[in-house]
Amino acid sequence: AQTVTQSQPEMSVQEAETVTLSCTYDTSESDYYLFWYKQPPSRQMILVIRQEAYKQQNATENRFSVNFQKAAKSFSLKISDSQLGDAAMYFCAYHYGGSQGNLIFGKGTKLSVKP
Amino acid sequence: DAGVTQSPTHLIKTRGQQVTLRCSPKSGHDTVSWYQQALGQGPQFIFQYYEEEERQRGNFPDRFSGHQFPNYSSELNVNALLLGDSALYLCASELYGEAFFGQGTRLTVV
Repeated sequence: AQTVTQSQPEMSVQEAETVTLSCTYDTSESDYYLFWYKQPPSRQMILVIRQEAYKQQNATENRFSVNFQKAAKSFSLKISDSQLGDAAMYFCAYHYGGSQGNLIFGKGTKLSVKP
Repeated sequence: DAGVTQSPTHLIKTRGQQVTLRCSPKSGHDTVSWYQQALGQGPQFIFQYYEEEERQRGNFPDRFSGHQFPNYSSELNVNALLLGDSALYLCASELYGEAFFGQGTRLTVV
């Protein structure tokens, strides 16, 4: 069975600094998607970044980038120039099965940003 | 585009009662999935609807059932509520493997 593990329940970063959130996953599939979602206190899950497993190039979205290591089954999120608005729960998620798949989430990492 | 909308936002029910939660997907999205998020946990997949049929299901008992209407909106029904059913229920509409979430319904069972 596929699993997603986030080993850091809480992380803290100083405003304008860089922080990296860790995620590992387990799967026997070769074609899948990986996501990072942000969940602020408003509760709505917001997609931060997406990575297709067949792509070797790491995804980047403005201040957010990933380090995707397929062989190691590792998918970390780097947030550069952290802002107060980045404070939230961050969930790593795995998606398999193409259009019929569902998301498997980790337990999340609570990120605090200090001014 | 209104995005994914869920109703109600909060709900309090008594053990043994039944509840219905509603979800309207993002415009053009025909696939709706429901997730349960217990406090301090990541969301867990309940089931997915496509073309008005349940396409796949997670590890949830039959007390959890659903429906999808011709306009792709969906309902989640939970019968014989237990205290452990207290959680945030998230609806997601999907297109090409990318999920867009609503703000969820916070269900409290007392």
